[in-house]
Amino acid sequence: GENVEQHPSTLSVQEGDSAVIKCTYSDSASNYFPWYKQELGKRPQLIIDIRSNVGEKKDQRIAVTLNKTAKHFSLHITETQPEDSAVYFCAASTGRRALTFGSGTRLQVQP
Amino acid sequence: GAVVSQHPSRVICKSGTSVKIECRSLDFQATTMFWYRQFPKQSLMLMATSNEGSKATYEQGVEKDKFLINHASLTLSTLTVTSAHPEDSSFYICSAPRTDEAFFGQGTRLTVV
Repeated sequence: GENVEQHPSTLSVQEGDSAVIKCTYSDSASNYFPWYKQELGKRPQLIIDIRSNVGEKKDQRIAVTLNKTAKHFSLHITETQPEDSAVYFCAASTGRRALTFGSGTRLQVQP
Repeated sequence: GAVVSQHPSRVICKSGTSVKIECRSLDFQATTMFWYRQFPKQSLMLMATSNEGSKATYEQGVEKDKFLINHASLTLSTLTVTSAHPEDSSFYICSAPRTDEAFFGQGTRLTVV
């Protein structure tokens, strides 16, 4: 089955700096790669996703890149703000199948 | 976006009792729903896939007789934790796919005392 690895496990940045979180996946059949932000005790919130026919996608301060050959994808957050502090998960799936999640990254944005 | 509702959001039960968690897709039909479990400071791990009108499929290591899943309609899946023990205390969360996007319920914090 699919295996998703995520790094780093914790990330501390100064407000206004950029944050980058990286994930690798193992199943070349995976074609959907969402990123979630999860606050304590809450459901994961989709912040951006990318499909395998696209190499990059951007939404305001958030961007995701996908390298299908290397089987890795990354989340980029620019101009970080304290409210960006949370746990972020990458995930991968094929079609309507269940998501396989990465291990999570705890992002702290220092004011 | 689509709405998935999960109840209860929190439950405390005594060891040995059973707890039922409901997951409803409110504005779309879901022939498949997924149940995940998340222990503190860990990731979401798939427990089982709930299939409308047929048996659920369980991930390796998940006891099907302990975690009973019923998907009797196109909008409702239930997870019953039977004979709960303290080690079953966790955050349980369902999701339903529409196209390839997953829509999550609010999650259920189960505490077994």
